[in-house]
Amino acid sequence: DAKTTQPNSMESNEEEPVHLPCNHSTISGTDYIHWYRQLPSQGPEYVIHGLTSNVNNRMASLAIAEDRKSSTLILHRATLRDAAVYYCILRDVGANFGNEKLTFGTGTRLTIIP
Amino acid sequence: AAGVIQSPRHLIKEKRETATLKCYPIPRHDTVYWYQQGPGQDPQFLISFYEKMQSDKGSIPDRFSAQQFSDYHSELNMSSLELGDSALYFCASSKWVGGSSYEQYFGPGTRLTVT
Repeated sequence: DAKTTQPNSMESNEEEPVHLPCNHSTISGTDYIHWYRQLPSQGPEYVIHGLTSNVNNRMASLAIAEDRKSSTLILHRATLRDAAVYYCILRDVGANFGNEKLTFGTGTRLTIIP
Repeated sequence: AAGVIQSPRHLIKEKRETATLKCYPIPRHDTVYWYQQGPGQDPQFLISFYEKMQSDKGSIPDRFSAQQFSDYHSELNMSSLELGDSALYFCASSKWVGGSSYEQYFGPGTRLTVT
């Protein structure tokens, strides 16, 4: 799996936007960019994914660089509940059936300041 | 909406004992994944099953085995437990749709403590 690089930690004030960066300079053409997060004492939770175009859902937005070597997860208005470890993960869209394991890197620990 | 169910939620075993962890995927999901998360570490993939057949294998010790049953639930069997097996064990499920499964839905985890 292609490698991703994220900052170890970030802080943000409550009710402000948060931009979480991810570098993936060795991304291949068939790699989707996925984001998961893990709240304290819980299992990981899917946030968003994309291939080339920017994506929006009810949780967040994903901005993908034109060359796809980096991406940014955007939380538009952070709440205390968004404090978690955020993982940027690449997954090969051409993987075989049931062969789409998630390879978690170190992730970014996001702290929200009230 | 139904979520992934794992049982038990907590398990305490002694060294050299055996443990069985169970996972009930979301209805109609055809793929199950097992992950191990040690203290202060990130989740690590162990093994996965698609339509009851093993589909991928990660750094799973030979002392561990797993299977997926006809009703799609899965069990992770761990024998000769060691102190280092103490961890959170997550099960995730997904459904293969149109060439990829995209999202994995994780259960709450089983916390295994080996003493």
